Amino acid sequence: QQQVKQSPQSLIVQKGGISIINCAYENTAFDYFPWYQQFPGKGPALLIAIRPDVSEKKEGRFTISFNKSAKQFSLHIMDSQPGDSATYFCAASLSGYSTLTFGKGTMLLVSP
Amino acid sequence: DTGVSQDPRHKITKRGQNVTFRCDPISEHNRLYWYRQTLGQGPEFLTYFQNEAQLEKSRLLSDRFSAERPKGSFSTLEIQRTEQGDSAMYLCASSSTMEGTPLTFGSGTRLTVV
Repeated sequence: QQQVKQSPQSLIVQKGGISIINCAYENTAFDYFPWYQQFPGKGPALLIAIRPDVSEKKEGRFTISFNKSAKQFSLHIMDSQPGDSATYFCAASLSGYSTLTFGKGTMLLVSP
Repeated sequence: DTGVSQDPRHKITKRGQNVTFRCDPISEHNRLYWYRQTLGQGPEFLTYFQNEAQLEKSRLLSDRFSAERPKGSFSTLEIQRTEQGDSAMYLCASSSTMEGTPLTFGSGTRLTVV
């Protein structure tokens, strides 16, 4: 049973465009939702995270939108740059229990 | 402190051999995690330690897998009698028990079983 479903699998965006990646979760007890960025040959690195008491969180060009009733959250990358080309993973975990359940990932390519 | 360190970065082994990987977490982090990542998939949880105690093991962790963290610092993951299906990236991560501390991952050990 896949508890965190991520889409799309891959995404091509032009430089300066907006990249949008979506995730849906099943377990309503999840209360921590991070996004990780992974470059080839490297481990995932935390990009931005949100808790369900807010509907949006913004850090620089990266924004998480969270819809608790729909059990969905998304990552928006504004003014996408070639350096953003990487694989992005959404994840979720339970309160006070930090083992993360990851989505399958989205490979983003930002064309120059 | 340069982050989470994993050794070796790459390992090629013949089927049936045993392999051992090492992870050195961030020094002030008392939680240590092992994940496995196969091509095109997200990391899958294997096990985690708080200090030297192994608190949880995934069903993915078969009897051939064993992890230790004897002094609450570095950890080792051993795979006995390796199979081709064990080929994957093995990721180590660490965090502290402070609420909101994110997991910091190492660069992983890529295992290829031939």
